Amino acid sequence: NAGVTQTPKFQVLKTGQSMTLQCAQDMNHNSMYWYRQDPGMGLRLIYYSASEGTTDKGEVPNGYNVSRLNKREFSLRLESAAPSQTSVYFCASSELSYEQYFGPGTRLTVT
Amino acid sequence: TQLLEQSPQFLSIQEGENLTVYCNSSSVFSSLQWYRQEPGEGPVLLVTVVTGGEVKKLKRLTFQFGDARKDSSLHITAAQPGDTGLYLCAGALSINSGYALNFGKGTSLLVTP
Repeated sequence: NAGVTQTPKFQVLKTGQSMTLQCAQDMNHNSMYWYRQDPGMGLRLIYYSASEGTTDKGEVPNGYNVSRLNKREFSLRLESAAPSQTSVYFCASSELSYEQYFGPGTRLTVT
Repeated sequence: TQLLEQSPQFLSIQEGENLTVYCNSSSVFSSLQWYRQEPGEGPVLLVTVVTGGEVKKLKRLTFQFGDARKDSSLHITAAQPGDTGLYLCAGALSINSGYALNFGKGTSLLVTP
Protein backbone atom coordinates (compact mmCIF):
# COMPACT_ATOMS: atom_id res chain seq x y z
CA ASN A 1 0.00 0.00 0.00
CA ALA A 2 1.76 3.16 -1.23
CA GLY A 3 -0.30 5.71 0.76
CA VAL A 4 0.58 9.20 -0.48
CA THR A 5 3.13 9.54 -3.26
CA GLN A 6 4.75 12.72 -4.55
CA THR A 7 6.81 13.50 -7.64
CA PRO A 8 9.44 14.71 -8.14
CA LYS A 9 11.51 14.19 -4.98
CA PHE A 10 13.96 16.96 -5.83
CA GLN A 11 13.79 19.89 -8.24
CA VAL A 12 15.94 22.90 -9.03
CA LEU A 13 14.35 25.78 -10.92
CA LYS A 14 15.54 29.14 -12.14
CA THR A 15 13.58 32.24 -11.22
CA GLY A 16 10.60 32.62 -13.55
CA GLN A 17 10.36 28.97 -14.55
CA SER A 18 7.19 27.02 -13.99
CA MET A 19 6.57 23.52 -12.71
CA THR A 20 3.88 21.23 -11.35
CA LEU A 21 4.23 19.07 -8.26
CA GLN A 22 2.21 15.88 -8.43
CA CYS A 23 0.49 14.08 -5.56
CA ALA A 24 -1.56 10.90 -5.53
CA GLN A 25 -3.16 8.88 -2.75
CA ASP A 26 -4.54 5.35 -2.83
CA MET A 27 -6.50 5.43 0.45
CA ASN A 28 -9.76 6.66 -1.12
CA HIS A 29 -9.60 9.82 1.00
CA ASN A 30 -11.87 12.74 0.20
CA SER A 31 -9.63 15.56 1.41
CA MET A 32 -6.16 16.51 0.19
CA TYR A 33 -3.74 19.24 1.22
CA TRP A 34 -0.56 21.00 0.17
CA TYR A 35 1.86 22.34 2.79
CA ARG A 36 5.26 23.96 2.69
CA GLN A 37 7.86 23.49 5.41
CA ASP A 38 10.57 26.06 6.01
CA PRO A 39 13.22 26.12 8.75
CA GLY A 40 11.87 27.79 11.87
CA MET A 41 8.40 28.19 10.34
CA GLY A 42 6.86 24.77 10.71
CA LEU A 43 4.29 23.44 8.26
CA ARG A 44 2.03 25.99 6.61
CA LEU A 45 -1.06 25.20 4.55
CA ILE A 46 -0.97 26.42 0.94
CA TYR A 47 -4.19 25.01 -0.51
CA TYR A 48 -6.61 22.25 0.31
CA SER A 49 -9.37 20.29 -1.37
CA ALA A 50 -12.12 19.13 0.96
CA SER A 51 -13.58 16.89 -1.74
CA GLU A 52 -13.27 16.19 -5.45
CA GLY A 53 -14.18 19.30 -7.41
CA THR A 54 -13.46 21.83 -4.67
CA THR A 55 -10.33 23.74 -3.72
CA ASP A 56 -9.72 26.49 -1.17
CA LYS A 57 -6.87 28.76 -0.15
CA GLY A 58 -4.89 28.09 2.96
CA GLU A 59 -2.57 30.34 4.91
CA VAL A 60 0.05 31.01 2.17
CA PRO A 61 -1.57 30.62 -1.31
CA ASN A 62 0.13 33.49 -3.19
CA GLY A 63 2.19 32.31 -6.17
CA TYR A 64 0.54 28.88 -6.34
CA ASN A 65 -2.37 27.23 -8.10
CA VAL A 66 -3.88 23.80 -7.56
CA SER A 67 -5.94 21.27 -9.46
CA ARG A 68 -7.93 18.40 -7.98
CA LEU A 69 -7.73 16.19 -11.05
CA ASN A 70 -9.84 13.40 -9.56
CA LYS A 71 -10.35 11.83 -6.14
CA ARG A 72 -6.81 10.40 -6.13
CA GLU A 73 -4.73 13.28 -7.50
CA PHE A 74 -4.05 16.84 -6.34
CA SER A 75 -1.40 18.91 -8.11
CA LEU A 76 0.36 22.13 -7.12
CA ARG A 77 1.60 24.52 -9.80
CA LEU A 78 4.15 27.30 -9.59
CA GLU A 79 3.58 29.54 -12.60
CA SER A 80 6.63 31.76 -12.16
CA ALA A 81 8.96 30.45 -9.49
CA ALA A 82 10.65 32.85 -7.07
CA PRO A 83 13.54 32.25 -4.62
CA SER A 84 11.05 32.72 -1.76
CA GLN A 85 9.36 29.50 -2.90
CA THR A 86 12.46 27.46 -2.08
CA SER A 87 11.05 24.99 0.43
CA VAL A 88 10.03 21.42 1.09
CA TYR A 89 6.51 20.72 -0.13
CA PHE A 90 4.30 18.07 1.43
CA CYS A 91 1.04 16.65 0.20
CA ALA A 92 -1.37 15.06 2.68
CA SER A 93 -4.75 13.36 2.59
CA SER A 94 -7.50 12.59 5.09
CA GLU A 95 -10.93 11.06 5.22
CA LEU A 96 -13.13 13.92 6.49
CA SER A 97 -11.42 13.63 9.87
CA TYR A 98 -8.48 15.58 11.18
CA GLU A 99 -5.96 12.75 10.92
CA GLN A 100 -3.77 13.47 7.92
CA TYR A 101 -1.34 11.18 6.13
CA PHE A 102 1.67 12.78 4.51
CA GLY A 103 3.76 12.02 1.47
CA PRO A 104 7.59 11.99 1.49
CA GLY A 105 7.92 15.56 0.23
CA THR A 106 9.42 17.45 -2.72
CA ARG A 107 12.55 19.48 -2.09
CA LEU A 108 12.46 22.54 -4.34
CA THR A 109 15.26 25.03 -4.83
CA VAL A 110 14.70 28.20 -6.86
CA THR A 111 17.86 30.03 -7.87
CA THR B 1 -0.93 32.37 11.61
CA GLN B 2 0.70 29.94 13.98
CA LEU B 3 -1.57 29.36 16.95
CA LEU B 4 0.49 26.67 18.69
CA GLU B 5 3.69 27.29 20.61
CA GLN B 6 5.99 24.34 21.19
CA SER B 7 8.73 24.18 23.78
CA PRO B 8 11.53 23.52 23.94
CA GLN B 9 12.59 24.15 20.36
CA PHE B 10 15.64 21.87 20.69
CA LEU B 11 16.40 19.09 23.14
CA SER B 12 19.55 16.99 23.35
CA ILE B 13 19.60 14.21 25.93
CA GLN B 14 21.30 10.93 26.65
CA GLU B 15 19.77 7.52 26.24
CA GLY B 16 17.70 6.53 29.26
CA GLU B 17 16.67 10.03 30.27
CA ASN B 18 13.05 11.20 30.48
CA LEU B 19 11.72 14.29 28.73
CA THR B 20 8.56 16.33 28.24
CA VAL B 21 7.62 18.46 25.25
CA TYR B 22 4.90 21.09 25.53
CA CYS B 23 2.38 22.46 23.04
CA ASN B 24 0.42 25.54 24.13
CA SER B 25 -2.21 27.80 22.60
CA SER B 26 -4.79 30.40 23.51
CA SER B 27 -7.21 28.76 21.06
CA VAL B 28 -9.51 25.81 21.68
CA PHE B 29 -9.12 22.94 19.24
CA SER B 30 -11.49 20.17 18.18
CA SER B 31 -8.60 17.78 18.63
CA LEU B 32 -4.86 17.82 18.87
CA GLN B 33 -2.41 15.53 17.19
CA TRP B 34 1.24 14.68 17.58
CA TYR B 35 3.41 13.80 14.60
CA ARG B 36 7.00 12.64 14.37
CA GLN B 37 9.16 13.54 11.38
CA GLU B 38 12.52 12.04 10.50
CA PRO B 39 15.02 13.84 8.22
CA GLY B 40 14.02 13.63 4.57
CA GLU B 41 10.58 12.20 5.27
CA GLY B 42 7.05 13.41 5.83
CA PRO B 43 5.41 13.67 9.26
CA VAL B 44 3.92 10.47 10.64
CA LEU B 45 0.91 10.56 12.94
CA LEU B 46 1.61 9.28 16.46
CA VAL B 47 -1.62 10.00 18.29
CA THR B 48 -4.82 12.05 18.30
CA VAL B 49 -6.38 13.38 21.52
CA VAL B 50 -9.94 14.63 21.44
CA THR B 51 -11.37 14.90 24.95
CA GLY B 52 -10.18 17.48 27.48
CA GLY B 53 -8.04 15.77 30.13
CA GLU B 54 -7.46 12.73 27.94
CA VAL B 55 -4.28 10.71 28.43
CA LYS B 56 -3.02 8.26 25.82
CA LYS B 57 -0.02 5.95 26.02
CA LEU B 58 1.99 4.58 23.14
CA LYS B 59 4.68 2.31 24.60
CA ARG B 60 7.12 4.75 26.27
CA LEU B 61 5.27 7.85 25.02
CA THR B 62 2.50 9.47 27.08
CA PHE B 63 0.30 12.16 25.55
CA GLN B 64 -1.99 14.43 27.51
CA PHE B 65 -4.64 16.91 26.33
CA GLY B 66 -5.37 19.83 28.62
CA ASP B 67 -8.74 20.09 30.32
CA ALA B 68 -9.61 23.20 28.31
CA ARG B 69 -8.39 21.63 25.02
CA LYS B 70 -5.86 24.41 24.49
CA ASP B 71 -2.64 22.60 25.29
CA SER B 72 -0.95 19.23 25.25
CA SER B 73 2.20 17.50 26.39
CA LEU B 74 4.28 14.57 25.20
CA HIS B 75 6.35 12.69 27.78
CA ILE B 76 8.95 10.12 26.75
CA THR B 77 10.23 7.70 29.35
CA ALA B 78 13.71 6.22 29.03
CA ALA B 79 14.46 7.82 25.67
CA GLN B 80 16.25 5.78 23.02
CA PRO B 81 18.30 6.89 19.98
CA GLY B 82 15.41 5.72 17.80
CA ASP B 83 13.27 8.47 19.34
CA THR B 84 15.42 11.09 17.60
CA GLY B 85 13.38 13.30 15.29
CA LEU B 86 11.20 16.37 14.97
CA TYR B 87 8.02 16.24 17.07
CA LEU B 88 5.15 18.36 15.80
CA CYS B 89 1.86 19.13 17.46
CA ALA B 90 -1.12 20.14 15.33
CA GLY B 91 -4.50 21.50 16.32
CA ALA B 92 -7.58 20.77 14.22
CA LEU B 93 -9.78 23.70 13.23
CA SER B 94 -13.09 23.20 11.47
CA ILE B 95 -13.19 24.50 7.87
CA ASN B 96 -15.42 23.93 4.85
CA SER B 97 -16.51 20.29 4.94
CA GLY B 98 -13.55 19.19 6.99
CA TYR B 99 -10.63 20.25 9.12
CA ALA B 100 -7.43 22.19 8.69
CA LEU B 101 -4.41 21.52 10.86
CA ASN B 102 -2.49 24.35 12.46
CA PHE B 103 1.03 23.15 13.23
CA GLY B 104 3.47 24.22 15.87
CA LYS B 105 7.07 24.85 14.77
CA GLY B 106 8.23 21.58 16.30
CA THR B 107 10.67 20.27 18.90
CA SER B 108 13.85 18.76 17.52
CA LEU B 109 14.95 15.88 19.76
CA LEU B 110 18.38 14.25 19.68
CA VAL B 111 18.99 11.18 21.83
CA THR B 112 22.62 10.09 22.03
CA PRO B 113 23.77 6.63 23.13
